[in-house]
Amino acid sequence: TVVTQEPSVTVSPGETVTLTCNSDTGAVTGGHSTNWFQRKPGQAPRALIYSATRTYSWTPARFSGSLVGGKAALTVSDVRPEDEADYYCLLYYSSVLTFGGGTKLTVL
Amino acid sequence: QLNLQESGPGLVKPSETLSLTCSVSGDAINSANYYWGWIRLAPGKGLEWIGSVSHTGVPSYNPSLRLRQTISVDTSKNQFSLKMTSVTAAHTAVYYCVRHGAFPVFYYYGLDVWGPGTTVTVSS
Repeated sequence: TVVTQEPSVTVSPGETVTLTCNSDTGAVTGGHSTNWFQRKPGQAPRALIYSATRTYSWTPARFSGSLVGGKAALTVSDVRPEDEADYYCLLYYSSVLTFGGGTKLTVL
Repeated sequence: QLNLQESGPGLVKPSETLSLTCSVSGDAINSANYYWGWIRLAPGKGLEWIGSVSHTGVPSYNPSLRLRQTISVDTSKNQFSLKMTSVTAAHTAVYYCVRHGAFPVFYYYGLDVWGPGTTVTVSS
């Protein structure tokens, strides 16, 4: 399985941005249990979303996940400068975990 | 609060064996609901899942990788380990240990906890 994400996205503070995650084997479904992670330079990744839409207690409310048009999506509302980071999706299928290549989100 | 901490050599010579250990604190490793895994981030590349192990010692590995890896668990020490033989420069990366939902119940837990990571450089 090859999982693809936008290599880079640029957004202005206060805007809303949606990052997507696609699988070459077909539509991303609830069965893939999509996870999303944020990684800032010099830090370990931080989990944001699991099971496509579920958030952890520490996930900021402006982050949300969904399944749209056969893809998984991460939406960041009211983007803040501190949201500048790399974002990775992770798909689960048949006891194998596959990461997407990551999206570099730039906030300008 | 669950904490994971990687340990191991920061520098390994080509063709040698790399051994990393992850120490788990704040919870017991012998939970049937979770697996314990290793993920790496090579320079200029994205995250890669290497493999995971259950509390009973059953491993699962990334079929796309040929890293000659072995993942094991020691419940008496609340630790799990990664060994890679015959390393090359391609093994140079930051290695993270993680906790995630056991595969039969991955949907309910996700991959939620990461260690801070340890940098491994393969060089003579």
